[in-house]
Amino acid sequence: DSGVTQTPKHLITATGQRVTLRCSPRSGDLSVYWYQQSLDQGLQFLIHYYNGEERAKGNILERFSAQQFPDLHSELNLSSLELGDSALYFCASSPRGWGEQYFGPGTRLTVT
Amino acid sequence: SQKIEQNSEALNIQEGKTATLTCNYTNYSPAYLQWYRQDPGRGPVFLLLIRENEKEKRKERLKVTFDTTLKQSLFHITASQPADSATYLCALSPYNNNDMRFGAGTRLTVKP
Repeated sequence: DSGVTQTPKHLITATGQRVTLRCSPRSGDLSVYWYQQSLDQGLQFLIHYYNGEERAKGNILERFSAQQFPDLHSELNLSSLELGDSALYFCASSPRGWGEQYFGPGTRLTVT
Repeated sequence: SQKIEQNSEALNIQEGKTATLTCNYTNYSPAYLQWYRQDPGRGPVFLLLIRENEKEKRKERLKVTFDTTLKQSLFHITASQPADSATYLCALSPYNNNDMRFGAGTRLTVKP
């Protein structure tokens, strides 16, 4: 158990809908990262927050957005969902803005 | 464009032997490189981090080397066990970890 929690574990929704994925980092970790993992794309970096501020964006679509709250938990919002958004979404945390990351168990999103 | 290649999709070895996994990269100057283990349907688990000015790092049965001239890292598991069977991912990042890029992974199977 990494200490990172993600909810929900599974999510099934229809195209065009909007969902919110939630992540609680390990106690004391200031950085939160979001990744998408699909069979054909591997693990793709989406976005990084450090102590409430956005640090970097990777391959994140404009339909996706995220934020990190004062208590350091983070939410990833996915809107206008498409079939291709079906994937595992991982959150990771780290104590600093660099270095090893601790991944949560992931949220499996299925868009039908 | 930046590329990270892990030597093969799958590697099968006999229990007790040393597994050697390769990570090559192009068009990238990482500050450090990390190796993660991922089991099916679960989040990656951090194993080792090596900085650009380090040649080798060890942790128990694990050893990683980093050659910035060859743009290559080797990951060794000595005295391999069936429990080591998993997918191993290499990841490269700049100093501030803003954009950590993962390889596609190598699926290791250790046969008893």
